[in-house]
Amino acid sequence: QKEVEQDPGPLSVPEGAIVSLNCTYSNSAFQYFMWYRQYSRKGPELLMYTYSSGNKEDGRFTAQVDKSSKYISLFIRDSQPSDSATYLCAMRAGGTSYGKLTFGQGTILTVHP
Amino acid sequence: DVKVTQSSRYLVKRTGEKVFLECVQDMDHENMFWYRQDPGLGLRLIYFSYDVKMKEKGDIPEGYSVSREKKERFSLILESASTNQTSMYLCASSLPGTRNNEQFFGPGTRLTVL
Repeated sequence: QKEVEQDPGPLSVPEGAIVSLNCTYSNSAFQYFMWYRQYSRKGPELLMYTYSSGNKEDGRFTAQVDKSSKYISLFIRDSQPSDSATYLCAMRAGGTSYGKLTFGQGTILTVHP
Repeated sequence: DVKVTQSSRYLVKRTGEKVFLECVQDMDHENMFWYRQDPGLGLRLIYFSYDVKMKEKGDIPEGYSVSREKKERFSLILESASTNQTSMYLCASSLPGTRNNEQFFGPGTRLTVL
């Protein structure tokens, strides 16, 4: 069983829809949770990060972490065609882990006009 | 802006060849990483380095080696390329203690081994 599980999709939604992306994990040592966005033929870029449990909002994006359920989510409100990309969840333990991340498989999202 | 560059965007090699993938970052980051990305498998860590001449195996180091002679440069070496090493290779760097050790990625090298 993978340490981090993410539904690879693909997910196709109309413009303006609310998108929900999710990951589950098994390692209770994970404390830092991230979402990376990867456009076609580009490297991933950090979109949001959260420490421990709770919510974090940035514009149209909301990241949620539920450590008790080992479940994280990314919500995109009023989705736009420019949001079409692969979304990767990533997480790491605290302490001296040299920032080593464990990634999910990535979800391919297409927002059509 | 942090910039991570990779020596080639596309590379085609033959089975058995020795392959070098180069990565350079311009922000004095201590940590550097090599990943491969395959459909349905996400990013998998091959090797990482936390200082010059220091290296640690990641999750899938078999068939690969690395070299870090200078802080800004991290090389991935395929000693004898095989077809199952056809993949997208991504390099990343990070600075400990900043914004959650955010990793900055290069654009990737798509390697095809024939």
